[in-house]
Amino acid sequence: QQQVKQSPQSLIVQKGGISIINCAYENTAFDYFPWYQQFPGKGPALLIAIRPDVSEKKEGRFTISFNKSAKQFSLHIMDSQPGDSATYFCAAMDATNKLIFGTGTLLAVQP
Amino acid sequence: DAGVIQSPRHEVTEMGQEVTLRCKPISGHNSLFWYRQTMMRGLELLIYFNNNVPIDDSGMPEDRFSAKMPNASFSTLKIQPSEPRDSAVYFCASKQGARTEAFFGQGTRLTVV
Repeated sequence: QQQVKQSPQSLIVQKGGISIINCAYENTAFDYFPWYQQFPGKGPALLIAIRPDVSEKKEGRFTISFNKSAKQFSLHIMDSQPGDSATYFCAAMDATNKLIFGTGTLLAVQP
Repeated sequence: DAGVIQSPRHEVTEMGQEVTLRCKPISGHNSLFWYRQTMMRGLELLIYFNNNVPIDDSGMPEDRFSAKMPNASFSTLKIQPSEPRDSAVYFCASKQGARTEAFFGQGTRLTVV
């Protein structure tokens, strides 16, 4: 079922550093690309999302970069904080609302 | 709004028993999703509904799994008979419209012994 590939599987970053998570997709029918954040014992929650007609979207310390021709997108977390430690999922949605997730990245921000 | 409500939060059952997971989506949402989360396979989409109609159930692992949405405010995921490999956290999510946020419930942790 895997149609969205995500890397790395885990990531350790020092406080104040930049966290970068990458994703790639194959299905050109996808037209909405959200990122979700999940804390232990909780359901995933939307962090930030982008549409394919935009190359970059920034919300606070979180930025999505989108490369439509390469079918790749990435999440950058600037000035990473210990409170950002969580599992991050990229996802892709098509016009029928089918929402597929990547395999997840476990981020640990060390103080 | 209380968000997406799932019940039970935890379920422990014996192999071979029937298990029913329940979900109440956010009022007004017209799409509902069932996911299974495990360490090995991540978040797998099992099935999703638009306007109470199943659109894609290709992620349902076997005939032992079935899902229904009899109305806009309730859905069930049933496993019969259950097996130890079904142990996972099952999430329900709902959304309204296209290109919008899907809201997740707290999940049901299922353990089959």
